[in-house]
Amino acid sequence: AQSVTQLGSHVSVSEGALVLLRCNYSSSVPPYLFWYVQYPNQGLQLLLKYTTGATLVKGINGFEAEFKKSETSFHLTKPSAHMSDAAEYFCAVSDRGTGNQFYFGTGTSLTVIP
Amino acid sequence: GAGVSQSPSNKVTEKGKDVELRCDPISGHTALYWYRQSLGQGLEFLIYFQGNSAPDKSGLPSDRFSAERTGGSVSTLTIQRTQQEDSAVYLCASSLTTDYNEQFFGPGTRLTVL
Repeated sequence: AQSVTQLGSHVSVSEGALVLLRCNYSSSVPPYLFWYVQYPNQGLQLLLKYTTGATLVKGINGFEAEFKKSETSFHLTKPSAHMSDAAEYFCAVSDRGTGNQFYFGTGTSLTVIP
Repeated sequence: GAGVSQSPSNKVTEKGKDVELRCDPISGHTALYWYRQSLGQGLEFLIYFQGNSAPDKSGLPSDRFSAERTGGSVSTLTIQRTQQEDSAVYLCASSLTTDYNEQFFGPGTRLTVL
């Protein structure tokens, strides 16, 4: 079965610093890849996704992620953190051809320090 | 509606009582998912409906949990004889059929079992 690993359940960065949230998946066949954000007391919102084509994907709010097949990774980055980025971030994968079963990581809580 | 809706938004119940949580997916979305999110935890998959196929119930934690989806649209998650450990936020999501389509999440139902 597919598994998704998010390294670091809590990440703290200073305002204006680089944000790097890590995600690795387990399957040998590259899946579809997603990052979601959850603001306090809200549901999950899609940040970005990779399905095919260019491996660097740009999403909302200045976030981007790069699919690296050799590393089975899909790390999320943002060049300059903003206070409003403080939230919980979830990486998710969907195996190709399995009819939309999703697997979520355990989440990374991002704190932005003023 | 424009998005996934869930009701109620909050539910407080006494241990041993049954509860029903409702999810209205986005119109036209054939896939529907239920997840549980406990305090400080990631998303725990519960059940997945895809069109007219038999649901994937592999995530249901016990036989006290059940779900149905009527007419391929609205879904109800039922928890019988609630326990304190059932306290969590229950999230519903829907998506189009194909596996590269992202899930759209509702705001969740916060269940508190006293």
